Amino acid sequence: TQLLEQSPQFLSIQEGENLTVYCNSSSVFSSLQWYRQEPGEGPVLLVTVVTGGEVKKLKRLTFQFGDARKDSSLHITAAQPGDTGLYLCAGTGFFAGNNRKLIWGLGTSLAVNP
Amino acid sequence: EAGVAQSPRYKIIEKRQSVAFWCNPISGHATLYWYQQILGQGPKLLIQFQNNGVVDDSQLPKDRFSAERLKGVDSTLKIQPAKLEDSAVYLCASSLLDRFYGYTFGSGTRLTVV
Repeated sequence: TQLLEQSPQFLSIQEGENLTVYCNSSSVFSSLQWYRQEPGEGPVLLVTVVTGGEVKKLKRLTFQFGDARKDSSLHITAAQPGDTGLYLCAGTGFFAGNNRKLIWGLGTSLAVNP
Repeated sequence: EAGVAQSPRYKIIEKRQSVAFWCNPISGHATLYWYQQILGQGPKLLIQFQNNGVVDDSQLPKDRFSAERLKGVDSTLKIQPAKLEDSAVYLCASSLLDRFYGYTFGSGTRLTVV
């Protein structure tokens, strides 16, 4: 079974601090998506990474896909209260019979305190 | 563009009762998904439609859950009879292209079974 482990599970920081959350697996993924989910809302897609070693930036957010495509990280610079939410990663893996499946992590719950 | 619309936002029912959720995807999105998200977990795919045909329903508990997509646009998800463990947020999502590159979620319906 392919699993995506996210860490830390919970993170509470002060406004202005930097942070990194991780999404790790022992399996190779062909692509990986990051979402942010606010309470009472559905997840919102932030980015999709597809190439090993790829780095994408979205304002203060930097996403990296590991060279071996087994892991990914999300770095937030100068966090703001508006960054508060549940950060989910989801990866595309291949199973027997070339049947692709989307695997979800459990998420990192981030609280940025003013 | 208008987002994915879901209703109702909240529903409280007693166990063994029936309940139905409605979803209207983004116009032009041929693919529609229903997900179940239990508190503290990532979303779990219940069923995927391509137009009005079912592509993947391998994780749908078919003894109590059913879904349909009339005319390839709106969709309904029904639970009959509900169990306590069905308490969760039910998310609808749609995509224009392959889901493995990201899609748009609705705000979800929070179901509480008492």
